[in-house]
Amino acid sequence: KNQVEQSPQSLIILEGKNCTLQCNYTVSPFSNLRWYKQDTGRGPVSLTIMTFSENTKSNGRYTATLDADTKQSSLHITASQLSDSASYICVVSVSGGSNYKLTFGKGTLLTVNP
Amino acid sequence: GAGVSQTPSNKVTEKGKYVELRCDPISGHTALYWYRQSLGQGPEFLIYFQGTGAADDSGLPNDRFFAVRPEGSVSTLKIQRTERGDSAVYLCASSSGGRETQYFGPGTRLLVL
Repeated sequence: KNQVEQSPQSLIILEGKNCTLQCNYTVSPFSNLRWYKQDTGRGPVSLTIMTFSENTKSNGRYTATLDADTKQSSLHITASQLSDSASYICVVSVSGGSNYKLTFGKGTLLTVNP
Repeated sequence: GAGVSQTPSNKVTEKGKYVELRCDPISGHTALYWYRQSLGQGPEFLIYFQGTGAADDSGLPNDRFFAVRPEGSVSTLKIQRTERGDSAVYLCASSSGGRETQYFGPGTRLLVL
């Protein structure tokens, strides 16, 4: 069964600090991995997307890494801001005919305090 | 509008009632998806439309759930004989193709009393 596991479940940090969120997946055959940010009461918004051949992708203060051999990904947030408080969801899609079907993790709830 | 919109934003209904949830995708997007998100969980796939037809409805939990997209744009998710377990956030997403980035709407929060 295709699964995406994320850790930690929740995280509290002080404004200005860095943090790293983890994602492990068992989705196969792998197509790509995305990190989404979901603010409270809003829909998820895509931050980064990585395919099998990419091992790092940056979007401003967000840097995602991918190790396709160990099926692990991380999202590193640099110099956190209060607006970074949200749920961060790791999402993996399969290749082939069902490439539209996304498998979501449960998310890591990040709280950035002043 | 520029993004995916969903109405209503909140819906409270009584057990056994019928509800309709509406999704307006991004203009020109041929693919449309419905997801259900329970508290503390990631979204779960319900159904995928390519144009007017449901290309994959394998995520619909039972025959009380039905979705349509008659003109290949707006979609309606219909739930009959609602149950308390149907309470969740129903998210709609659209994309320019089946493998392209999905853009999500803000969701409809359904509460069945």
